Amino acid sequence: GENVEQHPSTLSVQEGDSAVIKCTYSDSASNYFPWYKQELGKRPQLIIDIRSNVGEKKDQRIAVTLNKTAKHFSLHITETQPEDSAVYFCALSEAGTALIFGKGTTLSVSS
Amino acid sequence: NAGVMQNPRHLVRRRGQEARLRCSPMKGHSHVYWYRQLPEEGLKFMVYLQKENIIDESGMPKERFSAEFPKEGPSILRIQQVVRGDSAAYFCASSPTGLAGENEQFFGPGTRLTVL
Repeated sequence: GENVEQHPSTLSVQEGDSAVIKCTYSDSASNYFPWYKQELGKRPQLIIDIRSNVGEKKDQRIAVTLNKTAKHFSLHITETQPEDSAVYFCALSEAGTALIFGKGTTLSVSS
Repeated sequence: NAGVMQNPRHLVRRRGQEARLRCSPMKGHSHVYWYRQLPEEGLKFMVYLQKENIIDESGMPKERFSAEFPKEGPSILRIQQVVRGDSAAYFCASSPTGLAGENEQFFGPGTRLTVL
């Protein structure tokens, strides 16, 4: 079945720096690519998503890029703040299926 | 519009007992997904249901686990004869449709199951 590789598993940055998390996948039928943020003990929350007919999407300090040819997509967070500290999961799905998640990236933003 | 509701939030069971986890999707959502998250790991898909139908149960163990989403009432994930390895957070998510490209899923707060 489909597999999603997420890197890095941990990421430490200084407040104000940028953070980039990358995911690669193998099944070209995947067409929906969301990113979730999960704080300790809380539910995963959708922060941004992209569909296969779009190469890039931005929402304030958060952006996602998708390269369907190379089968990878990335989350970019600019001007990081301490409240960005959390575990971030990439995910994907194809037609009418459930989400397949990466293993997560623990982001720590120090002030 | 209330979000996805799950109860109980915490559940403690002894080995061999049964666990019942409930999920009420967002209003207007007819698609429900159950995921399991082991400590410090990602979420693993278990089962996908629509009202009165199981669409995909490929991620759910064949034994001891079952799920339903009746015409009336919440979706229920049932684990019989629980073992310590069942200890995890179980998240339910709902979406308005299951169509490709519209599969935005909203998660409930989860049920944290502890098996003693």
